Amino acid sequence: GDSVTQMEGPVTLSEEAFLTINCTYTATGYPSLFWYVQYPGEGLQLLLKATKADDKGSNKGFEATYRKETTSFHLEKGSVQVSDSAVYFCALNSGGSNYKLTFGKGTLLTVNP
Amino acid sequence: NAGVTQTPKFQVLKTGQSMTLQCAQDMNHNSMYWYRQDPGMGLRLIYYSASEGTTDKGEVPNGYNVSRLNKREFSLRLESAAPSQTSVYFCASSERTAANQPQHFGDGTRLSIL
Repeated sequence: GDSVTQMEGPVTLSEEAFLTINCTYTATGYPSLFWYVQYPGEGLQLLLKATKADDKGSNKGFEATYRKETTSFHLEKGSVQVSDSAVYFCALNSGGSNYKLTFGKGTLLTVNP
Repeated sequence: NAGVTQTPKFQVLKTGQSMTLQCAQDMNHNSMYWYRQDPGMGLRLIYYSASEGTTDKGEVPNGYNVSRLNKREFSLRLESAAPSQTSVYFCASSERTAANQPQHFGDGTRLSIL
């Protein structure tokens, strides 16, 4: 079945540091890939998506590239801010029988001033 | 600009009690979903509704029922709550059931079963 593996963290960085959160997946067919962010006490917000190989999703300075050859979708940001502190979830949707999102377990990011 | 609205935000129940979690979306989306979020397990799909008038089981449907009341509303019912159902419940919606359609989430209902 489908699965998503992401670095579990927690990840602690200083402001303006470079961020990478690794995400790899296993899926049938050609899934769409997503990154969601969850701020404390809130729901999940879509951060970015990519729907086919070599697509790059980007939003708010975050980027991720759909790499089919390595089955990866790593999240990167060149300079993090304190306001980026949150839990980040990698997810895929392979359009199976119930169109569910399959999530990784989440990565807690803390950015210190 | 409400998006997906869930009520209540918090609830404490005793084992065996019943309750209904409400969800409404104002984006004219066709598809709606219920997930539960447990520590270290990510989110898991309970039930979904591909379109008004249809509902289907997800990966963890036992102990739950759902109703797609109309296009906007999708409720989740616990008939006889158990401590194992203590979790954070998220409702989501998407324009349609397609792999490339992002799902939009509400802020969640934090449910504790004593």
